[in-house]
Amino acid sequence: DAKTTQPNSMESNEEEPVHLPCNHSTISGTDYIHWYRQLPSQGPEYVIHGLTSNVNNRMASLAIAEDRKSSTLILHRATLRDAAVYYCILRETLRWRSQGNLIFGKGTKLSVKP
Amino acid sequence: DVKVTQSSRYLVKRTGEKVFLECVQDMDHENMFWYRQDPGLGLRLIYFSYDVKMKEKGDIPEGYSVSREKKERFSLILESASTNQTSMYLCASRSDRELNEKLFFGSGTQLSVL
Repeated sequence: DAKTTQPNSMESNEEEPVHLPCNHSTISGTDYIHWYRQLPSQGPEYVIHGLTSNVNNRMASLAIAEDRKSSTLILHRATLRDAAVYYCILRETLRWRSQGNLIFGKGTKLSVKP
Repeated sequence: DVKVTQSSRYLVKRTGEKVFLECVQDMDHENMFWYRQDPGLGLRLIYFSYDVKMKEKGDIPEGYSVSREKKERFSLILESASTNQTSMYLCASRSDRELNEKLFFGSGTQLSVL
């Protein structure tokens, strides 16, 4: 799986938008971009994923660069409950169910200040 | 909502003991995974299973075995616990119908081996 690069940590103020960057310059044409987050003392939870087009859901938006070498997770209005480690992961398109897993890196630790 | 339940939140065992970590999911998912998470090392895959009685090794299977006798249950077994197996253990599941989509994680079991 191709590698991603994220900042180790970021800070945000409550109720402001947060843009979490991810670089993946070696992405291949069939790699999906996945984002998960891990709240303190919890298992990771799915946030969003996409292939080429920008994606929105109730939790966040995913903006994917035109060349797909980078992407940005956007939290539109950060709350204290959004403080977590955010993981950006590339996953090639799975064709057989015995293919493996998502490989989690170290992620970005997001702190949200009141 | 999908629920992945791990039997214990905290577990303390002694070196040499046989340890069973249990995981149950309630959404009829075909695929189940065991990860461990250590500071500075991120999440690492131990074993996964894509069907009843089927298992595949992940990145760090040494010292572990698994059992999948029923679709909803995936057990991780430490045959003879050692102090270097002190870690947070996370179970996850995924549907075959959504191969490229999300993993659902349990809350984790913090295992201490003394």
